[in-house]
Amino acid sequence: DQQVKQNSPSLSVQEGRISILNCDYTNSMFDYFLWYKKYPAEGPTFLISISSIKDKNEDGRFTVFLNKSAKHLSLHIVPSQPGDSAVYFCAAGDNYGQNFVFGPGTRLSVLP
Amino acid sequence: NAGVMQNPRHLVRRRGQEARLRCSPMKGHSHVYWYRQLPEEGLKFMVYLQKENIIDESGMPKERFSAEFPKEGPSILRIQQVVRGDSAAYFCASSPQNGFGNTIYFGEGSWLTVV
Repeated sequence: DQQVKQNSPSLSVQEGRISILNCDYTNSMFDYFLWYKKYPAEGPTFLISISSIKDKNEDGRFTVFLNKSAKHLSLHIVPSQPGDSAVYFCAAGDNYGQNFVFGPGTRLSVLP
Repeated sequence: NAGVMQNPRHLVRRRGQEARLRCSPMKGHSHVYWYRQLPEEGLKFMVYLQKENIIDESGMPKERFSAEFPKEGPSILRIQQVVRGDSAAYFCASSPQNGFGNTIYFGEGSWLTVV
């Protein structure tokens, strides 16, 4: 039973264009969400987070949008750069974040 | 380096041996999480610990796996009598406290290979 889903295993985008990574969740108790980027043979690196009291959070080239009613969030990367090529994980936590549940990841390839 | 430190980075064990993975959280962090990533899969939660306490071990296999976070020293994930299916990357993460809006920060991971 996957509580956090990332239905696109992979995504290819041209350099300079927008990358949109999607994430859906089923547990309505989740109220804090994080995105991580992971390169091969390295640990996940925190990118950006959003709490359920907001519908948007922005940090440089990264913006996360949250649609609570649809239980959907997305990560936008603009403009995409070749260094953004990695696996992106969405994670969700409830109340006091005792257990963050991760999605299966989306592999982003940014083509020069 | 003030990040989450994991060692060893790579560990090879024969079937039936024990594997011990260590994690030192970031300075000032008192909460530790262990996650496992099997080949071609996502990150699966295993256990959440505070100093001297296991808070949530709902993701831990019932047998052979144990974790501790003593008052002094690193957190240890112990796998007894390893089998080939235990081969995976094990990631430790830490957070400063348990509270709404806290982010967890990961170490570089420990890659276990069982031969």
